[in-house]
Amino acid sequence: AQSVSQHNHHVILSEAASLELGCNYSYGGTVNLFWYVQYPGQHLQLLLKYFSGDPLVKGIKGFEAEFIKSKFSFNLRKPSVQWSDTAEYFCAVNELLADKLIFGTGTRLQVFP
Amino acid sequence: GAGVSQSPRYKVAKRGQDVALRCDPISGHVSLFWYQQALGQGPEFLTYFQNEAQLDKSGLPSDRFFAERPEGSVSTLKIQRTQQEDSAVYLCASTVDPSSGNTIYFGEGSWLTVV
Repeated sequence: AQSVSQHNHHVILSEAASLELGCNYSYGGTVNLFWYVQYPGQHLQLLLKYFSGDPLVKGIKGFEAEFIKSKFSFNLRKPSVQWSDTAEYFCAVNELLADKLIFGTGTRLQVFP
Repeated sequence: GAGVSQSPRYKVAKRGQDVALRCDPISGHVSLFWYQQALGQGPEFLTYFQNEAQLDKSGLPSDRFFAERPEGSVSTLKIQRTQQEDSAVYLCASTVDPSSGNTIYFGEGSWLTVV
């Protein structure tokens, strides 16, 4: 069965620090990859997604992620975080043409001014 | 609004009570999903509808859980004889067609606490 691992459960950064959140998945076939964000008290929102093409994907709010097929990874990055990036971040995967998303357990990011 | 709407937002149920959670997907969205999110965990898939057809219910944890979408729009997740382990946020999501790269939109969730 597919699974998604997010190794960082809780990350604390100061504003302007760089961010990288790890995500690894277990599935040998073709997958679609996603990062969702959940701000406090709000619903899950899509940050970015990878379906095919350029493995470096740019999303909203200055986030980007790189798909490395050989490492089964899809790490999320941002060069300079802001206090408003404080949220929970979820990596998710689904098989090509499949219906459901498989989520990781999430990473809680706290950014201090 | 234009988003996925869920009700009630918060529900406290006594153990053994039946609950019903409603989801209004985005208009025109064919696909509808239910997920369960326990505290400190990521969302876990429960069931999937395409229009009124329930195509996948592999994630429903027991036969106490039942979902329907009779007219292909609004969906209801029903939990019978609730147990404490059912306490979680129940998320509804919808999309035009998940296999074609369309974004899946989530509602704010229904927070269920079983006491």
